Amino acid sequence: GEKVEQHESTLSVREGDSAVINCTYTDTASSYFPWYKQEAGKSLHFVIDIRSNVDRKQSQRLIVLLDKKAKRFSLHITATQPEDSAIYFCAASRPSSNTNKVVFGTGTRLQVLP
Amino acid sequence: NSKVIQTPRYLVKGQGQKAKMRCIPEKGHPVVFWYQQNKNNEFKFLINFQNQEVLQQIDMTEKRFSAECPSNSPCSLEIQSSEAGDSALYLCASSLGTYQDTQYFGPGTRLLVL
Repeated sequence: GEKVEQHESTLSVREGDSAVINCTYTDTASSYFPWYKQEAGKSLHFVIDIRSNVDRKQSQRLIVLLDKKAKRFSLHITATQPEDSAIYFCAASRPSSNTNKVVFGTGTRLQVLP
Repeated sequence: NSKVIQTPRYLVKGQGQKAKMRCIPEKGHPVVFWYQQNKNNEFKFLINFQNQEVLQQIDMTEKRFSAECPSNSPCSLEIQSSEAGDSALYLCASSLGTYQDTQYFGPGTRLLVL
């Protein structure tokens, strides 16, 4: 089955710098890639997603890039702020199952330092 | 912000006891998912429903786990005979559909099996 890997388990950046979180996936049929943020003791909060018909999507300070050939996607957070500190999970799903089950990575803990 | 409601937030059970948790999806979302997040941030898809019908479930769910989404009542996930390895955060999510639709998560039920 699908496997999603997040390459950085932890990431520290200075406030105002950019943070990049990278993920790879194994199933070439995957076509939907959401990102979630989880703050300490809280649930998953949807932040942004990308579908395979595009290779870039931006929402305010968040940019998602998708490289289908390399089966890689990444989340770029620009001008980081302390409130961006959290665990970020990437995920992937394929449409053919008709269930939209998503497979998650194991998370990247982002720490934004003052 | 997600409007998925999950109760209870915390559940403590002894081994062999039943554990039941409930989920009210966002209004208008016919698709409901249950995931298990363990302490290593590994997610496991358990089961999903569209309205009252099961779309997909894993083998683990078929044995000790039971779930339902009755009409006009909260969805529920029940573990018939809890084991220590079931200790985890159980997340309910809902979405508008099953094709690349964003899943919105509830706060989760944290189960501790002593």
